[in-house]
Amino acid sequence: KNEVEQSPQNLTAQEGEFITINCSYSVGISALHWLQQHPGGGIVSLFMLSSGKKKHGRLIATINIQEKHSSLHITASHPRDSAVYICAVEENTDKLIFGTGTRLQVFP
Amino acid sequence: NAGVMQNPRHLVRRRGQEARLRCSPMKGHSHVYWYRQLPEEGLKFMVYLQKENIIDESGMPKERFSAEFPKEGPSILRIQQVVRGDSAAYFCASSPGPRKFFGPGTRLTVL
Repeated sequence: KNEVEQSPQNLTAQEGEFITINCSYSVGISALHWLQQHPGGGIVSLFMLSSGKKKHGRLIATINIQEKHSSLHITASHPRDSAVYICAVEENTDKLIFGTGTRLQVFP
Repeated sequence: NAGVMQNPRHLVRRRGQEARLRCSPMKGHSHVYWYRQLPEEGLKFMVYLQKENIIDESGMPKERFSAEFPKEGPSILRIQQVVRGDSAAYFCASSPGPRKFFGPGTRLTVL
């Protein structure tokens, strides 16, 4: 069993839909990261959180430390949101453990 | 402040050659991390360095791979005697603290 599990693996949506991507982990962590990888391959750090909730534009990330679970929400989705979204957890060693990613496609 | 820079962006090597991948961290960042993304697989941690020190190399293959982050200049990931299985995207990230900033990656193809 992977230490970081994401669901779903693939997700398609119509423009404007509300999207949720889930991440569960099994190790003790100091922080959780949400990353975005575009088809060209570059990686952008969206959020780093260790408790509660963060919001940036149409993106919202939440984490429940007791349940070892995090969600990434995208409101009013747009085709430019199409990308792979990766959850990564940071153990106290400063080493990231990555999920396998969720491939999102938003159609106009 | 330029972002994390990696070069080359694409590198083609024949089996048995050496590959050198460079990562220039953001200005003021003293922590560098290397990750590998094999085709159709997730990212995997390789090594964590600070200036002139390897902090954690638990993700590095035992042979042929080495990394350094000298006092001056970029961090280098070196792969000796490359094999086809080394074909992957190699990303570095730098940080001044907890948040990590990723470079664009180097795509290594071994023929």
